[in-house]
Amino acid sequence: AQKITQTQPGMFVQEKEAVTLDCTYDTSDPSYGLFWYKQPSSGEMIFLIYQGSYDQQNATEGRYSLNFQKARKSANLVISASQLGDSAMYFCAMREAVSGNTPLVFGKGTRLSVIA
Amino acid sequence: DTGVSQDPRHKITKRGQNVTFRCDPISEHNRLYWYRQTLGQGPEFLTYFQNEAQLEKSRLLSDRFSAERPKGSFSTLEIQRTEQGDSAMYLCASSSSSSGANVLTFGAGSRLTVL
Repeated sequence: AQKITQTQPGMFVQEKEAVTLDCTYDTSDPSYGLFWYKQPSSGEMIFLIYQGSYDQQNATEGRYSLNFQKARKSANLVISASQLGDSAMYFCAMREAVSGNTPLVFGKGTRLSVIA
Repeated sequence: DTGVSQDPRHKITKRGQNVTFRCDPISEHNRLYWYRQTLGQGPEFLTYFQNEAQLEKSRLLSDRFSAERPKGSFSTLEIQRTEQGDSAMYLCASSSSSSGANVLTFGAGSRLTVL
C-alpha cells in the first residue's frame, strides 16, 4: 500500500498567490517525520520543511508552511506569495520511527507551475 | 561545505556493460543513502550506510547492484550487466545521525541511459 499519496499530478498558480499541495500518509507508527522536497528541472532535491509527529505546532520556513492534520493523516504544503522560481516538482516524504534508521519514503510528486 | 557531489552526472552505456557511480557526501555526515528515480516517479530507496556499514538494502537492489563505502567517506554504486530498465536517475544523499530530524541532503544525481 502507498505510504505517501500526492493526488495532484500538476498544479497551476498565479504569481504572488498562495498554493496548497496535498499530501496524505499512512502509518501505524506513532513516531514519524514528514518532509517536503522541491526538485527543479536541474534535478537536485532541495529540502524545504520538516514536521515531527509529536510537534504541537505546524512547521513554517519562510514562505513555506506545513498544514499538519494528524487525525486526517495529512501534511499539506502551503507556499505563500508564489514566485516564478517556485515552478518545480514537489515531493512529500515520510520516515517512520523518527529517531531511527528507516529510510525516507517519497510520494509521486506534484508539478507546480507558476504563471506570470 | 561543498554539498553532496555525484559523478558522473550523465552516463550512456550499452546493454550488458557495467557502470559505476560515485558519491561524495558532506564531510561531517556519517549516513549515506542511494535512491533511484524514474521518470514521473518519486525517489525509491535502494540502500544506506552508516559510516562504512551497509545497514539496509531494498528489494529493488538486485544481485547486479552493489554499493560500497569502504572508509566511511565516499560511496560507489556499481551496476553490472546493465539492462534498459536500469535507465534512471541515481540520487545520493547524506545526513548526520546526530541531527534530530535526520534531514537528507541530496546530490544532483547521476542520470543513466542504457541503450
